[in-house]
Formats: sequence, structure tokens, C-alpha cells
Amino acid sequence: AQKITQTQPGMFVQEKEAVTLDCTYDTSDPSYGLFWYKQPSSGEMIFLIYQGSYDQQNATEGRYSLNFQKARKSANLVISASQLGDSAMYFCAMRPNFGNEKLTFGTGTRLTIIP
Amino acid sequence: ETGVTQTPRHLVMGMTNKKSLKCEQHLGHNAMYWYKQSAKKPLELMFVYNFKEQTENNSVPSRFSPECPNSSHLFLHLHTLQPEDSALYLCASRGGTSGGTDTQYFGPGTRLTVL
Repeated sequence: AQKITQTQPGMFVQEKEAVTLDCTYDTSDPSYGLFWYKQPSSGEMIFLIYQGSYDQQNATEGRYSLNFQKARKSANLVISASQLGDSAMYFCAMRPNFGNEKLTFGTGTRLTIIP
Repeated sequence: ETGVTQTPRHLVMGMTNKKSLKCEQHLGHNAMYWYKQSAKKPLELMFVYNFKEQTENNSVPSRFSPECPNSSHLFLHLHTLQPEDSALYLCASRGGTSGGTDTQYFGPGTRLTVL
């Protein structure tokens, strides 16, 4: 079974600062994928970034980067130069690369960007 | 239309009503999912369809009945629901074959209120 832990229920960050959202995971699967999604108040779950467990380099997508530390089982999301539009819920999720389809989500972090 | 669409966006129904949620994906994907998001709980996987065949039922009560007539459309038929079924219902789709690292893309969700 997989488990995702997001220990920060809420964060307040000044606009233009960088922010790190924490995510730790637990799994017995040897191969898996890690995902981050953003959910604005409208409800849609927006895919941000993906990291494979065997990827040698940390994933980056524009202002988003994933700080992947496999030995510590952490996959923190880093948002550089935060913007007001970044205010939303952020969910970390994981899925085994083989076997069942289940994408396991954490409880999320509510990020608020302060002007 | 692009991506994953869901209708209706909002639904209020009584416990004796019968209603259906519709999801359509325009991404050419082969797998579709229903998730339930309740307040203060992680996203819960409900059903998975691969190539129109149901491959996972995550112990969902029979008052929720999915239907997948083709790879682009997914329905969730609702009958005799309970107030605790009030939640945001999210549809997602994924490309590729079962397993693998493909990302799931979500629709905007249907916010359901059961009176």
C-alpha cells in the first residue's frame, strides 16, 4: 500500500518569494511515479509536474521543480517567484508503475500568496 | 472542447432522486476514472475503466453505478444517495496501457449536494 504525507495544512508566502511544499511518501513498490497537482477554488485538479522513481535528475517545469530525495522518500515541490495566481490547494500523489491504477493523494497544502 | 469536460458542474438532488454525471475526454486516452473528494479527506478513487472495461471498483456502494460506453465517455449514475455522499466528483483520463507512468488529467468536477 502507498501513503502520502503532507504535513503543512496551510502556508502564507509573500509574492515573488520562493516556496517549498513538503511531501513524503511510503511504498513497497520498486518503481513508481510522483505527481503534483494544483487545485484552485474552481475545483479542477491541474497537473503540474511528474517525477519517476528511477529518474536521475529532478524534474522541472517552468517555475515548478521537484526536489526528489529517494533515500528520504521525499518529493517536495518548489515554486520559484510566486505569483498571486499560485494561491490554491496543492496535492502530492503517487502511483506504482506496474499493477493497480490507484493514484494515492495526500491531504494537500493550502498555499496563499500575499501581495 | 479540449481536455476533460464534466457536466453538470453543480448538482443538488434529493435522496430519492436519480441523476447522472457525465465526463468526456478529448485527449484520445484509453483509461478513465471517477474520484470522490470530500471535505478534509484525501481524494478517493472510485472506479477505473481501461478500454471501456471496468478494471477497478474501490468498494463503492451500489447506489453509484458507472457506465463507460466508449473510451471517450464516462457516466456515473446516482440513485438513493445519502447526505454524506455530498462531495466534489472528479473525472480523470490517462493515455497508454494499464500501469505505466502516464499522467492522469482531471476535469473540473461536479459539486454534488444531497439534501
